[in-house]
Amino acid sequence: DTAVSQTPKYLVTQMGNDKSIKCEQNLGHDTMYWYKQDSKKFLKIMFSYNNKELIINETVPNRFSPKSPDKAHLNLHINSLELGDSAVYFCASSQPGFSGPHEQFFGPGTRLTVL
Amino acid sequence: DQQVKQNSPSLSVQEGRISILNCDYTNSMFDYFLWYKKYPAEGPTFLISISSIKDKNEDGRFTVFLNKSAKHLSLHIVPSQPGDSAVYFCAAGSNYQLIWGAGTKLIIKP
Repeated sequence: DTAVSQTPKYLVTQMGNDKSIKCEQNLGHDTMYWYKQDSKKFLKIMFSYNNKELIINETVPNRFSPKSPDKAHLNLHINSLELGDSAVYFCASSQPGFSGPHEQFFGPGTRLTVL
Repeated sequence: DQQVKQNSPSLSVQEGRISILNCDYTNSMFDYFLWYKKYPAEGPTFLISISSIKDKNEDGRFTVFLNKSAKHLSLHIVPSQPGDSAVYFCAAGSNYQLIWGAGTKLIIKP
């Protein structure tokens, strides 16, 4: 049973296009996240939603827009893709106080390549 | 400004020996610390955590030590096994947010 799933796993696209990455969790968690793993392998938080409400919005370009239709889904839409957006994007979820101090469960990642 | 640092990009250890992974942090306000393990083409998976009020937590072969005065934590794996070969991330957090280190690639030699 997949806990946190992301689609697609790989995404190759041209500069200037608009694309979306979907994330779903079946853990019943209230909080979901999007991370970007850059070329130096740092995992950087982009957004966090708690019960469909935005609680963390780090300094990311406004070309990135998260959408949470319900607490089990957090999709990431990216407009006008740029070369520097190429990275692996991870979705995660957590339930504070549920299973240890804010343990986060991660999806398998989406490797985005912008040509 | 890196609040969480893992200064060793890689570490090679003989199978059966102890692996020690290190992590330093700068913010004394972190409430908890976690270690994650990551295999290629997969998301990180949780390994072990420690609250800032403790100095040691043990789970099977894995032990995490926290030295608050030095703002340092370490993960000990003993004995090391081939399946432990992976990238290990240290993360520190408070409230909803985790700050991550850059990871250390652990290679277990047979």
